[in-house]
Order: sequence, then structure tokens, then C-alpha cells
Amino acid sequence: AQRVTQPEKLLSVFKGAPVELKCNYSYSGSPELFWYVQYSRQRLQLLLRHISRESIKGFTADLNKGETSFHLKKPFAQEEDSAMYYCALKAGANSKLTFGKGITLSVRP
Amino acid sequence: KAGVTQTPRYLIKTRGQQVTLSCSPISGHRSVSWYQQTPGQGLQFLFEYFSETQRNKGNFPGRFSGRQFSNSRSEMNVSTLELGDSALYLCASSFVQGYTEAFFGQGTRLTVV
Repeated sequence: AQRVTQPEKLLSVFKGAPVELKCNYSYSGSPELFWYVQYSRQRLQLLLRHISRESIKGFTADLNKGETSFHLKKPFAQEEDSAMYYCALKAGANSKLTFGKGITLSVRP
Repeated sequence: KAGVTQTPRYLIKTRGQQVTLSCSPISGHRSVSWYQQTPGQGLQFLFEYFSETQRNKGNFPGRFSGRQFSNSRSEMNVSTLELGDSALYLCASSFVQGYTEAFFGQGTRLTVV
């Protein structure tokens, strides 16, 4: 069975500092990995997915199959990045979306 | 176009009662998934429906059930409510099953007292 682990519950940084939100997964096949974000009083929304290999709002994430990780990174954090971030995995085209427990990112001025 | 709509937004029920939550997906979306969100457990998958058929199921007791109608609207039902069922219930829709981007509703906040 697939599993997603986000080892930290909270990350607090100052504006302009680099950010790395960790995500590790457990799955023997080739998964699809995602990062979802939930801003205060807004609905959960997709931030990025590994197959797109794109940067959204300055965030990037690289799938490392050797380390089974999909860490989310941003070189310079902004206050508006403060939110709850969830890493998620799909084990196959018709499988469910499995989420980690999430991490709260707090960016202080 | 309108997003995923969940009703009601808030519910307060007593232990032992049952509750029905509703989800209207984005127009044209045929896959609907349900999640339970709690501070301690994050998002836990309940079930997924596609074309009125349950395609995936999470590890929840049989008190949790759902269905999908021909217009893709979905309902989930929880019978014999327990205090631990208090949570935010999220619905997500996608164009077809397996389509990678899921669009979430704002959720129904269920409080069991």
C-alpha cells in the first residue's frame, strides 16, 4: 500500500529565507506526486505536480526515486506563502489520491 | 464556471444520529471523491465514485457510505454518529477517473456532540 510521510508539522521562517517542505513516499511502482496548498479560509488547491516539471509561485519540487522523496522548495519565502501544504500520491491512473498529514508554513515579516 | 459546491457548510449533530452531506461537482466532471480532514490525521480518503459506481474505498467503517447520481452529484451518509466523526468533510471532483487534478469544495464542517 502507498503511504506519504511529511515528517514536520510546522515550519516557521522569516520572509526572504529559503523554504524546503519535506515529503517522502512509500510505493514500489512509479507514482504521480503532487503538492496541494490550502490558504487561510480558502479551499484546497493543486500547487504543482511532478510530471509538469514546472515552477508555480516560485515553488519547485523534484521527484527523487532513489530517496523516494518529493520535497517542495522555494529560494525566497514570501508572507503570502503562509498556508497548509499537503504532499499527495497517486499509485496509478485509477487509484485514489493519498495525502500526507500536511505541514503548516508560517512566513514571518 | 462554478466550482465544487458542498452543502451544508456547517452541521451539528448528536451522537447516534445520522447525517447526509451533498456535493455538486464542477459541470462536466464525472469523478467525485470524499475525504475526512482532521488536525491530527490530515486528509483521509473515504471513497471515490465515477459514473455512479464506487471505484475506490478507504479504510472507514461501514457507517460511512456514499452514492453518486446520474448527474454526477454525490452524497455521503454517516450513520450512528460518534464524537470522533467530528471533522471537515471535503469533496473533490475531476473530469474523469484518473485525471490528475482534483478540484476541492470548501467542505462541510460536522460537529458531533
